Amino acid sequence: QVQLQESGPGLVKPSETLSLTCTVSGGSVSSGSYYWSWIRQPPGKGLEWIGYIYYSGSTNYNPSLKSRVTISVDTSKNQFSLKLSSVTAADTAVYYCARVRWGYFQHWGQGTLVTVSS
Amino acid sequence: EIVMTQSPATLSVSPGERATLSCRASQSVSSNLAWYQQKPGQAPRLLIYGASTRATGIPARFSGSGSGTEFTLTISSLQSEDFAVYYCQQYNNWPKTFGQGTKVEIK
Repeated sequence: QVQLQESGPGLVKPSETLSLTCTVSGGSVSSGSYYWSWIRQPPGKGLEWIGYIYYSGSTNYNPSLKSRVTISVDTSKNQFSLKLSSVTAADTAVYYCARVRWGYFQHWGQGTLVTVSS
Repeated sequence: EIVMTQSPATLSVSPGERATLSCRASQSVSSNLAWYQQKPGQAPRLLIYGASTRATGIPARFSGSGSGTEFTLTISSLQSEDFAVYYCQQYNNWPKTFGQGTKVEIK
């Protein structure tokens, strides 16, 4: 059974860059059958898709965040990562990584809360 | 962007009763619709994909139906562990979008 685990700082200052990593176990990010994604959820609110990456490095981002988002993959470490630049308080959220199959989110990490505050 | 609208926002149901949740898309998403369950403090869990196919390990009391713009998630006989928030998500178009959620609470 595939498992995903998010890691990274829980507190980021405004205007800085949020950086998170998702480590995949029980499966390979190099599998051609899946994409790998980030989704976020502000406290008490709904879910927002951030973007996808394929093992080849091909990406697709939510237009609402595209100018600030970079998703990358490290097949040697079986990880993929998220960078979100110029953060504000509005970026405070639980960030989830997930494995994607045909566009739906098949398996999710437990999530990590990132707070943007000085 | 396709807007997903779920109704009702909150559904009060007694254990053992049937729950019917609705999801409407602002334009056709064919059958590219998924449902997720989220309990407090937990990640969402995939219940249904392809509008009507149960994910691995999901009990038969969960069923999905619909196509195009109108979709329904039915829980045939609510168990205590089913009280949660349910989200629909379309994956027919970019960007992938979610509904705002329906909270199923104990009546």
